[in-house]
Amino acid sequence: NAGVMQNPRHLVRRRGQEARLRCSPMKGHSHVYWYRQLPEEGLKFMVYLQKENIIDESGMPKERFSAEFPKEGPSILRIQQVVRGDSAAYFCASSPGPATNYGYTFGSGTRLTVV
Amino acid sequence: AQKITQTQPGMFVQEKEAVTLDCTYDTSDPSYGLFWYKQPSSGEMIFLIYQGSYDQQNATEGRYSLNFQKARKSANLVISASQLGDSAMYFCAMENQGGKLIFGQGTELSVKP
Repeated sequence: NAGVMQNPRHLVRRRGQEARLRCSPMKGHSHVYWYRQLPEEGLKFMVYLQKENIIDESGMPKERFSAEFPKEGPSILRIQQVVRGDSAAYFCASSPGPATNYGYTFGSGTRLTVV
Repeated sequence: AQKITQTQPGMFVQEKEAVTLDCTYDTSDPSYGLFWYKQPSSGEMIFLIYQGSYDQQNATEGRYSLNFQKARKSANLVISASQLGDSAMYFCAMENQGGKLIFGQGTELSVKP
């Protein structure tokens, strides 16, 4: 049973390009959470999705960032027109239900570097 | 507002000794969960231990135990018999009813041989 798979592990983008980060949850998990970790900081919640629904996007920047979790396929975190401040590690976690009582499984993260 | 505070940016411990990593939290929710994660230099987040707010006993997982003091709103992680492989960043986190985690700033633990 594969864990939460994130790809790519490392992503380099030039300023102004788009970044697409993928997260395949564990089998049977329909809840996905995205977190961002800036250098020297803890993880910060971005967005919580179920299949085809955004449940909570209170941590998402208002512009340039979007997330989806389609019926088929991985969850995608999309960052348009990246800037240097977007350089961070982005983690995805999945859960079979609302994380309360289930806990999370984290992926290994995608390290985005904007040059 | 909900908040997690880790006041120790860095800690040193001698191999085979025990170490306590501090964590305090603030929430008005009656139901919450507390987690500890380990992040080694390779970067992945490794779940260590979980404590529910209604759990009567302190959680233990092998060499990890959580010293949960609800009245003080503290959830310190105790690592017994430290090993060199325990050197890493350690994050305390709280889960609220919305299901998302709020993380502390982390404590960097260095185990000395």
